[in-house]
Amino acid sequence: DAGVIQSPRHEVTEMGQEVTLRCKPISGHDYLFWYRQTMMRGLELLIYFNNNVPIDDSGMPEDRFSAKMPNASFSTLKIQPSEPRDSAVYFCASSQPGTAYETQYFGPGTRLLVL
Amino acid sequence: AQTVTQSQPEMSVQEAETVTLSCTYDTSENNYYLFWYKQPPSRQMILVIRQEAYKQQNATENRFSVNFQKAAKSFSLKISDSQLGDTAMYFCASNAGNNRKLIWGLGTSLAVNP
Repeated sequence: DAGVIQSPRHEVTEMGQEVTLRCKPISGHDYLFWYRQTMMRGLELLIYFNNNVPIDDSGMPEDRFSAKMPNASFSTLKIQPSEPRDSAVYFCASSQPGTAYETQYFGPGTRLLVL
Repeated sequence: AQTVTQSQPEMSVQEAETVTLSCTYDTSENNYYLFWYKQPPSRQMILVIRQEAYKQQNATENRFSVNFQKAAKSFSLKISDSQLGDTAMYFCASNAGNNRKLIWGLGTSLAVNP
């Protein structure tokens, strides 16, 4: 299996621009998670989906952030408008409950820099 | 609420020696899973080892093993024969219940010195 795929790997943008991060989970995994990691706040869960349906978005920082999962093999995290404080590494992870201790497998992350 | 605590922000060890990273957790669930993830400078999050709470036997993966003390709610990671490539941030995490969320510790930065 190719693992969790994220794109882009690096993104540099200017404040106010729209940013879209993409994720392809491992085939057959029903759960998809979006995390943000910064030095100040550590690893934060933003939102997660089960069978393409958002289950818990309580970690989404504000209305500028939105996430969708139109099908089982694709999810996006959008920031509009972006701000410098959004600079972080964004991870996508997927898991399949009932197997392998429900382990979450992570993608390589997208390093976002908002200038 | 579930919590995971890693009390050692930074540790160092000499190459080929053994080091133990501490993790304690708090949960009211009867069954749950515990994980150690490694994050090297590349920032990739890599699963190191995992344990299911109702299994008595401590998990082992090559040079990595855990000391799982359920009554004490402790889940420490032992790295034997440390290698330079073990230099990384190590995160302890737990999940429980039906919400599938992982609760994360703040991490321990491990440096393996030559």
